[in-house]
Amino acid sequence: GAGVSQTPSNKVTEKGKYVELRCDPISGHTALYWYRQSLGQGPEFLIYFQGTGAADDSGLPNDRFFAVRPEGSVSTLKIQRTERGDSAVYLCASSSPTGSPLRTDTQYFGPGTRLTVL
Amino acid sequence: SQQGEEDPQALSIQEGENATMNCSYKTSINNLQWYRQNSGRGLVHLILIRSNEREKHSGRLRVTLDTSKKSSSLLITASRAADTASYFCATPSNTGKLIFGQGTTLQVKP
Repeated sequence: GAGVSQTPSNKVTEKGKYVELRCDPISGHTALYWYRQSLGQGPEFLIYFQGTGAADDSGLPNDRFFAVRPEGSVSTLKIQRTERGDSAVYLCASSSPTGSPLRTDTQYFGPGTRLTVL
Repeated sequence: SQQGEEDPQALSIQEGENATMNCSYKTSINNLQWYRQNSGRGLVHLILIRSNEREKHSGRLRVTLDTSKKSSSLLITASRAADTASYFCATPSNTGKLIFGQGTTLQVKP
């Protein structure tokens, strides 16, 4: 079946502009995660959705970042007034939680969106 | 924030040799996972080891976990050029979000 898809694959924008990054999770996966990865670093958590609601948004760096998942499927990460420091690869992952308290659910990652802010 | 350190940061070996990567973490965990990433894009889940396990195998992969030292290692045996990638360890928080290490970049020369 289809994996996680993300669009666009690359986005170049100018400082101060608004951007939207889209994630299509695996069909039926209720959990969706956004991560950001800077060059040479591991991914860093941004926000987690369980269904339509943001269950954990503790990783959003500031109020310029916002994400939605209105129907519990596709999610959009929105960045206002972009800054050069926002340049990174934005990764989306989805999983189908088993409810295990041991958190053994596998997360399936999309190919990412490379955002470049000039 | 990153969970911990991985070493080495970069590793270069010849095809057929074994590659060992280490990961240290800071907090108590339920499990530890290893991921692989090609060309800086999507990550692929390789293997998960639970906190009550000490060693786990999957094909040419062997993972060990030492909870007393808060460390794990990933061994790739009989490496191939196609194993060239970055490898990350990650631990889940109680909300399920993954906390990644900084990764080891492996180059396998043919």
